[in-house]
Amino acid sequence: DTGVSQDPRHKITKRGQNVTFRCDPISEHNRLYWYRQTLGQGPEFLTYFQNEAQLEKSRLLSDRFSAERPKGSFSTLEIQRTEQGDSAMYLCASSWASGSGYNEQFFGPGTRLTVL
Amino acid sequence: DQQVKQNSPSLSVQEGRISILNCDYTNSMFDYFLWYKKYPAEGPTFLISISSIKDKNEDGRFTVFLNKSAKHLSLHIVPSQPGDSAVYFCAANLQGAQKLVFGQGTRLTINP
Repeated sequence: DTGVSQDPRHKITKRGQNVTFRCDPISEHNRLYWYRQTLGQGPEFLTYFQNEAQLEKSRLLSDRFSAERPKGSFSTLEIQRTEQGDSAMYLCASSWASGSGYNEQFFGPGTRLTVL
Repeated sequence: DQQVKQNSPSLSVQEGRISILNCDYTNSMFDYFLWYKKYPAEGPTFLISISSIKDKNEDGRFTVFLNKSAKHLSLHIVPSQPGDSAVYFCAANLQGAQKLVFGQGTRLTINP
């Protein structure tokens, strides 16, 4: 296992279409995070999972966004009825958490979404 | 509100000299600070971190300094090398939370 992988790397879609992204974390990692990065900004937290449970969602995650991690391994992020403002880099990260302290997050290469 | 700020969008340094990247934060509940490096078309790569109970952490050419009273941290790279050219993000972990808050990034260019 060489790290966090994301698919696709690039996605171009028309406004109003639905898109789904996939993230495969480092295999032994129990936490998985989604971030969004827009041009000129740092990544912004969207949501995270501990195993299959979604434990926190940012207010950035509108009702059009849904994330799942059904078996505690890979995760999907779906955006329904895409808008031009959804154009961004969507980053996935994973970590191994054994307690309440900080656990280093390893990032994938991201999926760049362009909404026309 | 921007809780983590990197006020310099870009920095240009001569090869071999010291690069100093700065970061300010506002939330005193941050308990861990990190620097990530990002190349184009790649995700952020962890570089170095520091706990809020320390004021310095060193790893090879990279040193991070934390000034809690000023709510300021800095990353020193000595000596700077062309491969260090990248965008550097400062990030902070909120105590008890499981998410990172990132600054806007600083693009570092090392000139030969």
